[in-house]
Amino acid sequence: SQKIEQNSEALNIQEGKTATLTCNYTNYSPAYLQWYRQDPGRGPVFLLLIRENEKEKRKERLKVTFDTTLKQSLFHITASQPADSATYLCALGRSGTYKYIFGTGTRLKVLA
Amino acid sequence: DAGVIQSPRHEVTEMGQEVTLRCKPISGHNSLFWYRQTMMRGLELLIYFNNNVPIDDSGMPEDRFSAKMPNASFSTLKIQPSEPRDSAVYFCASSPGRDNYGYTFGSGTRLTVV
Repeated sequence: SQKIEQNSEALNIQEGKTATLTCNYTNYSPAYLQWYRQDPGRGPVFLLLIRENEKEKRKERLKVTFDTTLKQSLFHITASQPADSATYLCALGRSGTYKYIFGTGTRLKVLA
Repeated sequence: DAGVIQSPRHEVTEMGQEVTLRCKPISGHNSLFWYRQTMMRGLELLIYFNNNVPIDDSGMPEDRFSAKMPNASFSTLKIQPSEPRDSAVYFCASSPGRDNYGYTFGSGTRLTVV
């Protein structure tokens, strides 16, 4: 069955460093991959979408890569700040459907 | 726009009771999704609608769960009868239904069945 894996352990990094989160998937061929941020007690917030034919996408301090051969996406936050502390979720979707399946998320903590 | 509006924010009910969760999507969004989130299983898609029509309900766990979307501005998720294992946070999300847009999630309903 299809599976999305995100590091279940929390990631702690020092303020100013680059945070890198990983999303791996198996038994799935997504056309799109999204990243969301979720704060405690709130719904996920959409950050970025990348298509299967795009290798990289950037938005301000965020960068996402998508490698369909490795079946992996990397999510980078450069110059991280304590306000970036949250859980980050990846989500995969197929072409022709608006339905996405989500990973369980990785909790990021940026230390001041 | 006020975003996706869900009610109630919290619901505590006794096992066996009927529970109805409500959602108002963003105006103009023609896709609506119901997800359930637990620590163990993360975010699970229960059902989604496109133009008010249910497209995929394969995630609905049992016949005790039902969802409706009578018009473009309102959807309900009903659990009858509720069980303790239904305790979770239920999210509604909407999207314009185009491939380059993400979902907009509501704040969720935290359901506790005792």
